[in-house]
Amino acid sequence: ELKVEQNPLFLSMQEGKNYTIYCNYSTTSDRLYWYRQDPGKSLESLFVLLSNGAVKQEGRLMASLDTKARLSTLHITAAVHDLSATYFCAVDDLSGTYKYIFGTGTRLKVLA
Amino acid sequence: DTGVSQDPRHKITKRGQNVTFRCDPISEHNRLYWYRQTLGQGPEFLTYFQNEAQLEKSRLLSDRFSAERPKGSFSTLEIQRTEQGDSAMYLCASSLDARGPYEQYFGPGTRLTVT
Repeated sequence: ELKVEQNPLFLSMQEGKNYTIYCNYSTTSDRLYWYRQDPGKSLESLFVLLSNGAVKQEGRLMASLDTKARLSTLHITAAVHDLSATYFCAVDDLSGTYKYIFGTGTRLKVLA
Repeated sequence: DTGVSQDPRHKITKRGQNVTFRCDPISEHNRLYWYRQTLGQGPEFLTYFQNEAQLEKSRLLSDRFSAERPKGSFSTLEIQRTEQGDSAMYLCASSLDARGPYEQYFGPGTRLTVT
């Protein structure tokens, strides 16, 4: 059974600091997705990573994928309050349905 | 593309009542997914349609749950005899084979509260 784990589960950081969220998954896959979710809202797509070594950046966020290590990272540079949200990674299960298996989520709070 | 839409956005119901949710996927998207998200958790897969065919159901989908996608367009998810444990956000997503079947676009969700 495919499992996806994120750490940390909770992250409180000061504005201006850097930090990394980790996403580990339990089986081979070369497709990984990062989403942002604000309280009470749906999922906002951040990054789609489709191959080993893929790196994507948008503003203060950068995501990478290492399929050999079964690891993706979401790096936050110089955090600002507006980045406060819950971040999920997801892997599709390669079964043909392409259903997503989501991680546990990382709740990020950026303190002014 | 107008995006995935869901209706209603919020539903409060009493235990034992039946509820039905609707999802309108992005036009021409042939794949449609339902997920359920409980408070503090990541979304969990419920069921998948390819066109009008329901091809996979999670074991989370008990006999009280039924989903349809007539004519391969919109989809409905019905919960019969609701229980308090059904309280959650129900998310719909769609994707298109021709543009890469794996990238899913999520709707705004329907938040169900069972009292």
